[in-house]
Amino acid sequence: GAGVSQSPSNKVTEKGKDVELRCDPISGHTALYWYRQSLGQGLEFLIYFQGNSAPDKSGLPSDRFSAERTGGSVSTLTIQRTQQEDSAVYLCASSLLSSGSPDTQYFGPGTRLTVL
Amino acid sequence: GQQLNQSPQSMFIQEGEDVSMNCTSSSIFNTWLWYKQDPGEGPVLLIALYKAGELTSNGRLTAQFGITRKDSFLNISASIPSDVGIYFCAGQMGGNEKLTFGTGTRLTIIP
Repeated sequence: GAGVSQSPSNKVTEKGKDVELRCDPISGHTALYWYRQSLGQGLEFLIYFQGNSAPDKSGLPSDRFSAERTGGSVSTLTIQRTQQEDSAVYLCASSLLSSGSPDTQYFGPGTRLTVL
Repeated sequence: GQQLNQSPQSMFIQEGEDVSMNCTSSSIFNTWLWYKQDPGEGPVLLIALYKAGELTSNGRLTAQFGITRKDSFLNISASIPSDVGIYFCAGQMGGNEKLTFGTGTRLTIIP
C-alpha cells in the first residue's frame, strides 16, 4: 500500500515479556517517528530517525525501550520486560523531508499493546 | 512528556452547528498543525499553519496561528456526521522535528 503500515495491529503480552513492534514507512520517506498514545491522551514523542544521522532518543521513557531502523526503511520498536504502564497505542509516522517544502508527518494505524 | 493544553476536552453538538476549539502552549512553536483521529486509525493532518497570525481554510475548516506563536484555534462550520472524532493540535519547532500534541477534543454529534 501507499501509506505507513504497522504490525501487529494488536499485541497482548504478559508482564515481564519482551515485545517488538514493526513500522514500514512510506517508500522514499527519510524521516521516521515513533509516538505513544495512552488511553484518552494525546500522542507522546518517543524517538526520531532522520536518514543516517544519530536518532533523537529524547522521548524514550526508560532504558527498557529501544528502536532501530535498518537500511533507512523499516523500523522496530522493542520494549523489554514489559510493565502494565506500557499498555498504549504505539504510532509510527514518516515524512519526506524535502528541502524547501513544508514537512508533513503521515501516521500509521498504530499497534495497540496490552500488558496483562 | 509535554502536552499542549487543548479545550474543550469534549463537545456534544447537533448536526449543522459550528464548532470551535483551541490550543495553548507555554512555549513558542514555529508551526501549528491540526489533526483528526478516527477510532483505530492514526491521526490525519487537516490544516498546517507556518506563520504567526496566519489564517488558513480547508473547506469547512478554518484555523489560525496565534500572533504570540503560543496558541492556535480550529473552527468547523456547519458540522456533518463525518466530523465525529478526536481532534488534536500539535506544535512543531522546525520542519523535521518531533510534534508536541495537545490533549485532544472529542467531537460527538447528537442526533
